[in-house]
Amino acid sequence: EVQLEESGGGLVQPGRSLRLSCTASGFTFGDYAMSWVRQAPGKGLEWVGFIRSKSSGGTTEHAASVKGRFTISRDDPKGIAYLQMNSLKTEDTAVYFCTRTVDTAMVLDYWGQGTLVTVSS
Amino acid sequence: DIQMTQSPSSLSASVGDRVTITCRASQGIISWLAWYQQKPDKAPKSLIYAASSLQSGVPSRFSGSGSGRDFTLTISSLQPEDFATYYCQQYYSDPLTFGGGTKVEIK
Repeated sequence: EVQLEESGGGLVQPGRSLRLSCTASGFTFGDYAMSWVRQAPGKGLEWVGFIRSKSSGGTTEHAASVKGRFTISRDDPKGIAYLQMNSLKTEDTAVYFCTRTVDTAMVLDYWGQGTLVTVSS
Repeated sequence: DIQMTQSPSSLSASVGDRVTITCRASQGIISWLAWYQQKPDKAPKSLIYAASSLQSGVPSRFSGSGSGRDFTLTISSLQPEDFATYYCQQYYSDPLTFGGGTKVEIK
């Protein structure tokens, strides 16, 4: 059974940093891209970025709203994807979901339960 | 960026009703479209990919159609567990973009 579990969320002050983790199980982690999607309170879904599998180059893409501040990485032997968030702003407050992503088509086929990040002074 | 516009933003329907949700892309995306279902305080669930292919385990009352710019999600006979918010998403090009969502409520 595919399982994704996010961790690392919490309350953080504007301008500070936070790192989210997504621990995967139930599938060959290295065979898939991994994406992050966020949802502000009461709002819709916003793609944050993804990291391709190593076999597809392992490259990353990030949304314009987070480019230069957020970085996605992965540790294939541990089965973990990371979202490093720097220079956090109040508008980054959201539930952050990690998703398994089919490399060849960028379909977000399995989602974690999400972790809440609150940016507030 | 490709904009995805869903309509309606909400609808009220009864159990057993046929429900149709539309999604329009700001430019052609061939069939690179997915649909997701999200229940309150839960993670989204993938329903359909490639515009019309059902994910494993998704009931056959769900179907998708369309290509190019216009797409449709249809629930043939609404069940109590289908009351949720539905999102479309294009993966033709990055940034990946979602529609604004359609909330399906009980009439």
